[in-house]
Amino acid sequence: EAGVAQSPRYKIIEKRQSVAFWCNPISGHATLYWYQQILGQGPKLLIQFQNNGVVDDSQLPKDRFSAERLKGVDSTLKIQPAKLEDSAVYLCASSSGLPEEQYFGPGTRLTVT
Amino acid sequence: LAKTTQPISMDSYEGQEVNITCSHNNIATNDYITWYQQFPSQGPRFIIQGYKTKVTNEVASLFIPADRKSSTLSLPRVSLSDTAVYYCLVGERGSGAGSYQLTFGKGTKLSVIP
Repeated sequence: EAGVAQSPRYKIIEKRQSVAFWCNPISGHATLYWYQQILGQGPKLLIQFQNNGVVDDSQLPKDRFSAERLKGVDSTLKIQPAKLEDSAVYLCASSSGLPEEQYFGPGTRLTVT
Repeated sequence: LAKTTQPISMDSYEGQEVNITCSHNNIATNDYITWYQQFPSQGPRFIIQGYKTKVTNEVASLFIPADRKSSTLSLPRVSLSDTAVYYCLVGERGSGAGSYQLTFGKGTKLSVIP
């Protein structure tokens, strides 16, 4: 079974630029999550989708971050404009049943200079 | 804020059994206890989950006392490849309908020494 795919794996941008990350969850998984993991800390949930609807985006900085999951499969997370403090690894995860059992992708390491 | 407390780091020699204890004093009746493992440059990986007593799988065992205010992840005979960060999590309902969040703390960094 293929795992969660993410691209790109690495991205370097200057502050105030925009960036987008892509995630393809495990086939059949209805729930998709985006996390932000700052160095030395645990992942922090940004947004949760159930199929193509948003379940929880309470921790998403909506003035600069946006996410969508068209057709309930792939998802993109966008940052516009980026700030220095957005430097982190952005992880995508998916789950099919138990919300506690999530499958994570390898993440995208973003560096904002 | 994470609902759990666990040691920041632990060291162990190869071949030893490692026990990582996590406290979750305010665990709710419906909450499960879940443990994840994260290697450098990888996403976290689900290890084990339990509600009470003992759960065992091919990777680890999870011990949960009757009051459920703590839990212990047991890794038998660790090897160098078990060096990773281990997260103890207790799920919580989020703000949206159907939302169930896993709040990660800083985890326990386990270093296995040859």
